[in-house]
Amino acid sequence: EAQVTQNPRYLITVTGKKLTVTCSQNMNHEYMSWYRQDPGLGLRQIYYSMNVEVTDKGDVPEGYKVSRKEKRNFPLILESPSPNQTSLYFCASSSTSGRAYEQYFGPGTRLTVT
Amino acid sequence: GEDVEQSLFLSVREGDSSVINCTYTDSSSTYLYWYKQEPGAGLQLLTYIFSNMDMKQDQRLTVLLNKKDKHLSLRIADTQTGDSAIYFCADAGKIDMRFGAGTRLTVKP
Repeated sequence: EAQVTQNPRYLITVTGKKLTVTCSQNMNHEYMSWYRQDPGLGLRQIYYSMNVEVTDKGDVPEGYKVSRKEKRNFPLILESPSPNQTSLYFCASSSTSGRAYEQYFGPGTRLTVT
Repeated sequence: GEDVEQSLFLSVREGDSSVINCTYTDSSSTYLYWYKQEPGAGLQLLTYIFSNMDMKQDQRLTVLLNKKDKHLSLRIADTQTGDSAIYFCADAGKIDMRFGAGTRLTVKP
């Protein structure tokens, strides 16, 4: 089954404790992206990657890091989480050919930073 | 940056039509999308329209695009309780996708 998986689905952590949210897709997609969803603000892009070893900042990259060492994986790293990073996070992927930008979304990771 | 705007709430009665509106500012948008988010789930692509089209119909869904006014709408005919969800409008630029804040559709029996 074609899908985007994220782990963990729920995470409660404390300020300053490094964490990683994993994202994996099995569709051989070139493009992967991370978004955060906050009430009234919709989805805002954090980082995206056009292919392996190619990443770039989205609209709200501060406080986040990403890496793309393999095509299928695109982890999101919070080196020193702060309460304003409490949010719902979505990973997405798409092929850059054909229906460009038709993104497939993971189920989301709800992060709470206290 | 470029904006995508939509109203936050819409309430309709079961069996009525729902119309969700969206405006965008990026004239270079090539595709415009409607996504549906059900509670506790990720976003699911509902339909999309290419920027050189003005209408697309897909079963109960009709998408209208007014490129001159940069206005996009999604009409759901015969709205059912299962259509209750948050609907996101999105436009795709050269390398990124921008989302509206989402319209929460509530369908009353």
